[in-house]
Amino acid sequence: KQEVTQIPAALSVPEGENLVLNCSFTDSAIYNLQWFRQDPGKGLTSLLLIQSSQREQTSGRLNASLDKSSGRSTLYIAASQPGDSATYLCAVVGRTSGTYKYIFGTGTRLKVLA
Amino acid sequence: KAGVTQTPRYLIKTRGQQVTLSCSPISGHRSVSWYQQTPGQGLQFLFEYFSETQRNKGNFPGRFSGRQFSNSRSEMNVSTLELGDSALYLCASSLGDRLSSYEQYFGPGTRLTVT
Repeated sequence: KQEVTQIPAALSVPEGENLVLNCSFTDSAIYNLQWFRQDPGKGLTSLLLIQSSQREQTSGRLNASLDKSSGRSTLYIAASQPGDSATYLCAVVGRTSGTYKYIFGTGTRLKVLA
Repeated sequence: KAGVTQTPRYLIKTRGQQVTLSCSPISGHRSVSWYQQTPGQGLQFLFEYFSETQRNKGNFPGRFSGRQFSNSRSEMNVSTLELGDSALYLCASSLGDRLSSYEQYFGPGTRLTVT
C-alpha cells in the first residue's frame, strides 16, 4: 500500500532563506508526482508536476526533483518570501488493482518570517 | 480562463440528512476528481469521473456517490450524513483521460459541517 510522508511537518524560516521540503513514498511504481500549495481555508494550487521519466522540474524560484528508486522528491524554494507561507503537499499517482489513485502526503506547513 | 468552481462554498447539515455538492471544471477538461480533506486523515481520494463514467474510486462507503454530466460538470452526493463527514470537499479537473499524464487543478472547496 502506497504511503506518502512529508518531513518536516512544520517549518519556520526567516525571509530570504533557501529551503528544502521533503516527500517520501513507499512504492516506487508511480506515474507522476505533483507538488501543491494550500493557503488556509482554500483549495490547492498546482506548483510542479514531474512525470515518472523526469528527474526534475523548475518554475521560477521553485525546483522539484524526483528519485523514484529511493522513493523521494524534494521541493527547493529559493530566496523565500513571506508570501510563500502556506502548507505544501506532494501527491503521487500510482496504479492499484487496475485503477489510478492520487495519494497525498500529510503536508509541510511553512512560515516565512519577514 | 475560469478556474474550477464549486458550489456551495459552505454548508451546514444535520446528521441523517443528505447533501449534494457541485463542481464545474475548467473549460475543456474532461476529468473530474473528488477529495475529502480532514485534519485527522488529510486529503483522501473519493472518486474520478471521465466522460460521464466513474473510472476510479477510493475507499469510501457507498453513502458517497457521484456523477458527471455531458458538459463535464460533476456532482457528489453524501447520504445519511454522519458527524465524521464534516470536512472540506475538494474537486479537481484535468485535461486528459489518464491521471498519469495531466496536472490536476483544484477548486476552492466546499466546507461541510454536520451537526
